[in-house]
Amino acid sequence: DTGVSQDPRHKITKRGQNVTFRCDPISEHNRLYWYRQTLGQGPEFLTYFQNEAQLEKSRLLSDRFSAERPKGSFSTLEIQRTEQGDSAMYLCASSEGQPPNYGYTFGSGTRLTVV
Amino acid sequence: DQQVKQNSPSLSVQEGRISILNCDYTNSMFDYFLWYKKYPAEGPTFLISISSIKDKNEDGRFTVFLNKSAKHLSLHIVPSQPGDSAVYFCAAKGGRDDKIIFGKGTRLHILP
Repeated sequence: DTGVSQDPRHKITKRGQNVTFRCDPISEHNRLYWYRQTLGQGPEFLTYFQNEAQLEKSRLLSDRFSAERPKGSFSTLEIQRTEQGDSAMYLCASSEGQPPNYGYTFGSGTRLTVV
Repeated sequence: DQQVKQNSPSLSVQEGRISILNCDYTNSMFDYFLWYKKYPAEGPTFLISISSIKDKNEDGRFTVFLNKSAKHLSLHIVPSQPGDSAVYFCAAKGGRDDKIIFGKGTRLHILP
């Protein structure tokens, strides 16, 4: 197992375009989380899944954002009509939900730049 | 509203000395606290954690102290090593809420 994989690592897009990111979690982890990190901030929670069910969405996740986890395996995060304020590092983590770390393993992130 | 606060954006410590990173929280429902370390171009990695029923947890060079009455925790690294230079995030989890809330981070520089 190679850990949590995120693709692409970097994405540059023009304002108004749609982008989609993919996250492949650790195979035995049933929980998957998306976070966003901007400069000078810590990771901010966006949404999480238990298997294929999306259990919580942050108010940061506007209508332009949608996340899916079909079949409880990989997940995608789509941003429609991107804005410059969407520029950030998008982090995915997966978890078994057990201490001491609650199993959080983060991927290396997808850095989005909206120009 | 910042529920987890790290008020020092950066800290510089001489190699071999003790590094102390501080964190305050506001939510009394938090029952589990964690520290993560992040290098550039990588995701955060788990370092050490502490349950709210304890006041100290130690793992090698890393010790986390929790003061519940003050809603304060700290991470001690001793002795500090060059590889400890990174951004450290304090984080917390509350009860049945499954998500982890992060502070803004403190950048630690270990000086030779």
